[in-house]
Amino acid sequence: DAKTTQPPSMDCAEGRAANLPCNHSTISGNEYVYWYRQIHSQGPQYIIHGLKNNETNEMASLIITEDRKSSTLILPHATLRDTAVYYCIVRSPGAGSYQLTFGKGTKLSVIP
Amino acid sequence: DADVTQTPRNRITKTGKRIMLECSQTKGHDRMYWYRQDPGLGLRLIYYSFDVKDINKGEISDGYSVSRQAQAKFSLSLESAIPNQTALYFCATSDALRAGEGYTFGSGTRLTVV
Repeated sequence: DAKTTQPPSMDCAEGRAANLPCNHSTISGNEYVYWYRQIHSQGPQYIIHGLKNNETNEMASLIITEDRKSSTLILPHATLRDTAVYYCIVRSPGAGSYQLTFGKGTKLSVIP
Repeated sequence: DADVTQTPRNRITKTGKRIMLECSQTKGHDRMYWYRQDPGLGLRLIYYSFDVKDINKGEISDGYSVSRQAQAKFSLSLESAIPNQTALYFCATSDALRAGEGYTFGSGTRLTVV
């Protein structure tokens, strides 16, 4: 699986959009970008994934650059409950390895 | 009710004791996984199962065993617990027919071996 690089921490004002970047410059053609988050000591929660088109669901939007070397997770109206560590993962869904490499992620703090 | 339920939520056990962590799911997923999380090390895969008759070792299976009693149940056993198995343990599920979809995780079991 390709490696990812994320900033260690970010702050966001409550009600504003949170934009979390992820670099994955070594991504290969069959690898998807996945985002999970983990609220303190709870189980990781799947947020969204995409291959090359931008994606949106009820939780967030995922913007993937045209060259697929980076992406941004957007939480359109951040709330205090969005405070968590956010993980960007790149992997092929058909890969033989089922190790989800979470890395250190970005600790998002939503501030009142 | 949670889609993936882990029991117990917290457990303190003594070195050398056998302990079982249980996981059940209502997602109808065929694939189930056990991970452990240690501070600074992310999640590491212990065992995974693609169906009741399929069990596979993950990255760190030594000292652990698993049992897939039914499609919905996947238990993890520590045959003789040791202190470095103190960690947060997560069970997860996924759907083979939707291999590109994300995993669903349980709330975790915090295990302390003293």
